Amino acid sequence: KQEVTQIPAALSVPEGENLVLNCSFTDSAIYNLQWFRQDPGKGLTSLLLIQSSQREQTSGRLNASLDKSSGRSTLYIAASQPGDSATYLCAVMDSNYQLIWGAGTKLIIKP
Amino acid sequence: DTGVSQDPRHKITKRGQNVTFRCDPISEHNRLYWYRQTLGQGPEFLTYFQNEAQLEKSRLLSDRFSAERPKGSFSTLEIQRTEQGDSAMYLCASSPGGNTIYFGEGSWLTVV
Repeated sequence: KQEVTQIPAALSVPEGENLVLNCSFTDSAIYNLQWFRQDPGKGLTSLLLIQSSQREQTSGRLNASLDKSSGRSTLYIAASQPGDSATYLCAVMDSNYQLIWGAGTKLIIKP
Repeated sequence: DTGVSQDPRHKITKRGQNVTFRCDPISEHNRLYWYRQTLGQGPEFLTYFQNEAQLEKSRLLSDRFSAERPKGSFSTLEIQRTEQGDSAMYLCASSPGGNTIYFGEGSWLTVV
């Protein structure tokens, strides 16, 4: 059974710092891995999608990597801003097109 | 195209009442998903549709829960005889087929 773990559960850093969020999964048979952002009381916004054949994806200040063999993905945020404060969730899509989710990392960027 | 739309956004109901949520997916997306999310947790899969066919249901979807997508477009999620443990955000998502998935803003349910 696929399990997705995100560490840390919460992170608070000063504005301007670069930071890394971690996601690990137990079964490497995935279709893709996605990182989402969720603001309090809101739905989910897809940030980056990495197909199983890819190693990384970049969008602006965000870079996500995928190492299927070790069951790990990282989300790198460069030059963090207070507006980046949110909960970041990773989810893997299995071969049945089902999303298996981590519990998220709550990120606070202090001005 | 305005994205995935959910209604109502917030619902407060008394225990034992029935509630219904509606989801309008992005047009021409044939896959539609329902998830439930409680505070501090990731979403939990409830069910999904391929067009009008309900292809999979989670064990979380007890017999008090029913979902329909009668014409392969909008979907409804009904919870009968609500319990306090049903309090959560109910998220709907749609997909054109297996790749990126688009989520709505969610419907918050509070059972008092």
